[in-house]
Amino acid sequence: KAGVTQTPRYLIKTRGQQVTLSCSPISGHRSVSWYQQTPGQGLQFLFEYFSETQRNKGNFPGRFSGRQFSNSRSEMNVSTLELGDSALYLCASSLAGGDEKLFFGSGTQLSVL
Amino acid sequence: ELKVEQNPLFLSMQEGKNYTIYCNYSTTSDRLYWYRQDPGKSLESLFVLLSNGAVKQEGRLMASLDTKARLSTLHITAAVHDLSATYFCAVDTFQGAQKLVFGQGTRLTINP
Repeated sequence: KAGVTQTPRYLIKTRGQQVTLSCSPISGHRSVSWYQQTPGQGLQFLFEYFSETQRNKGNFPGRFSGRQFSNSRSEMNVSTLELGDSALYLCASSLAGGDEKLFFGSGTQLSVL
Repeated sequence: ELKVEQNPLFLSMQEGKNYTIYCNYSTTSDRLYWYRQDPGKSLESLFVLLSNGAVKQEGRLMASLDTKARLSTLHITAAVHDLSATYFCAVDTFQGAQKLVFGQGTRLTINP
């Protein structure tokens, strides 16, 4: 069974640009959540989607957005990039977003110059 | 606001020794997770603890949960070099959706 797939693996952008990251969950998983990991702030929750609906959102500015498609694949978008957005962005999937294990993808390493 | 604190943040130990990582959290929760992260890699799920008194073991790792004390422990028995990694605990606030709040992580180095 394939794991959680994130693309691209690495990304370099400049300030002011926008970026879209993609996540394909494990087959059959309907909940997808996103986390940002930085050395300074650690792992922080961005948002969670279930059946194309955003159920929860973390404390991030409106520049961070996401969506989920009918096949459970998810994308997150960051507009007007800032230097502080440089981070490892991790996607995780679970069956229904309850008390099951979260399975994480390998992440997208975003560098903003 | 839920806060999750781990200690120690850094741990260097010798092979064959035992040690414990502690995870304290600030508000009531019945769901606690432990993850392992190797440098440059993603998070690997180790344990999911869902009730007070839950204890799970796999290999040299054992995790327990005391919801009344708001404390979880990850115990390492007879450490081996392969267990060197960063370990995170995370608490699920679950307000209708899975949302994990992570501790700062414990960087564990096991020396031969």
